[in-house]
Amino acid sequence: RKEVEQDPGPFNVPEGATVAFNCTYSNSASQSFFWYRQDCRKEPKLLMSVYSSGNEDGRFTAQLNRASQYISLLIRDSKLSDSATYLCVVFMNRDDKIIFGKGTRLHILP
Amino acid sequence: GAVVSQHPSRVICKSGTSVKIECRSLDFQATTMFWYRQFPKQSLMLMATSNEGSKATYEQGVEKDKFLINHASLTLSTLTVTSAHPEDSSFYICSARGGTSGGSSYNEQFFGPGTRLTVL
Repeated sequence: RKEVEQDPGPFNVPEGATVAFNCTYSNSASQSFFWYRQDCRKEPKLLMSVYSSGNEDGRFTAQLNRASQYISLLIRDSKLSDSATYLCVVFMNRDDKIIFGKGTRLHILP
Repeated sequence: GAVVSQHPSRVICKSGTSVKIECRSLDFQATTMFWYRQFPKQSLMLMATSNEGSKATYEQGVEKDKFLINHASLTLSTLTVTSAHPEDSSFYICSARGGTSGGSSYNEQFFGPGTRLTVL
């Protein structure tokens, strides 16, 4: 089983719709979780950290379920500018290692 | 957020030459820097982790004699691809991590803009 798994997509979603991404991780010792956004041929940029209590930033909501080893990202009222690849990232303090998922490509359609 | 720069942004070189890529943290001291490689349509793959003043830790399968990493100061790390070959053509990205800064988490990494290497 891969350490961090994501549906590669692409997700083709009409503008204004809500889209949800899921990510699972295999190592229960994982301690920190993030969603990064990567535009084509650019570096990844931090979108938001993910906390057990769930967190929201504008149209974006991230949730963590440690029991199921599952992370989600919800984007509401999607915009054309949301088109990008979304990377699920897991950090393990013990190994000082950060592991990226392969990313999910999102295309917002006008 | 913190700023990390990379230079050059793009390089084209002949097979057999060596290429040096610089990664700088511009407004914070980076105790740890990471080097990643990304092939088209693939995820970032960690190559090595470097801590200032000590030898880099390479991931399995990454040749340390081919990818030389120097982290001589808290704001600069360099990656040298020695005797580059066409299969080394890739997008190389560095990231930097420091202490808490401006409220950011210690685990947060700030990425450079990347260097696209093409070896002919």
